[in-house]
Amino acid sequence: DIQMTQSPSSLSASVGDRVTITCRASQSISSYLNWYQQKPGKAPKLLIYAASSLQSGVPSRFSGSGSGTDFTLTISSLQPEDFATYYCQQSYSTLRQTFGGGTKVEIK
Amino acid sequence: EVQLVESGGGLVKPGGSLRLSCAASGFTFSSYSMNWVRQAPGKGLEWVSSISSSSSYIYYADSVKGRFTISRDNAKNSLYLQMNSLRAEDTAVYYCARDKVQQLVLNYYYYMDVWGKGTTVTVSS
Repeated sequence: DIQMTQSPSSLSASVGDRVTITCRASQSISSYLNWYQQKPGKAPKLLIYAASSLQSGVPSRFSGSGSGTDFTLTISSLQPEDFATYYCQQSYSTLRQTFGGGTKVEIK
Repeated sequence: EVQLVESGGGLVKPGGSLRLSCAASGFTFSSYSMNWVRQAPGKGLEWVSSISSSSSYIYYADSVKGRFTISRDNAKNSLYLQMNSLRAEDTAVYYCARDKVQQLVLNYYYYMDVWGKGTTVTVSS
């Protein structure tokens, strides 16, 4: 199975900060990488697909980059509603889709 | 409105069975592959199973293979997960999620674009 490793597992940031979350795959997955946001008690919400394509309705302060094994989710200016947990997910192997362990973004 | 609504969760003893359902509305259910994803208390997301639009292709995580069965009824716009031989480690919120495919350049990319609110399964004696 393809393992997805996110870092950091948690971070503290202030409103207005630029935040970067990293996701690394155990083998090359080209651009088959998606990012989701989850708030407590809620279902995950798709932010980015195909590594860098912004899902419709998602604010442009969210962006994704990378290919192969290393990927990044960036929030250019953190807003109060962005405090949540973020997950990467590989869809390279549809037989065994896997998620990263998550990155919790907390208020500093 | 595009919507997925899960049901069927509850408390069950180890070794017991449970059948989850997911009712779809607002889109052509028969055109989409579907997934079950779960989240144990305080833990991350775990993909459980996928089924193609016509049920031709079915995949399972190793952790549930041989115990869980995914199925769908396109006439009823419904997705199911039959869970047998349940264990304490199956305790989780179970989400159904729609698989969307997008062609970019020459490649097809898959992602889960619509999620239900989840149903809670607790396995405990």
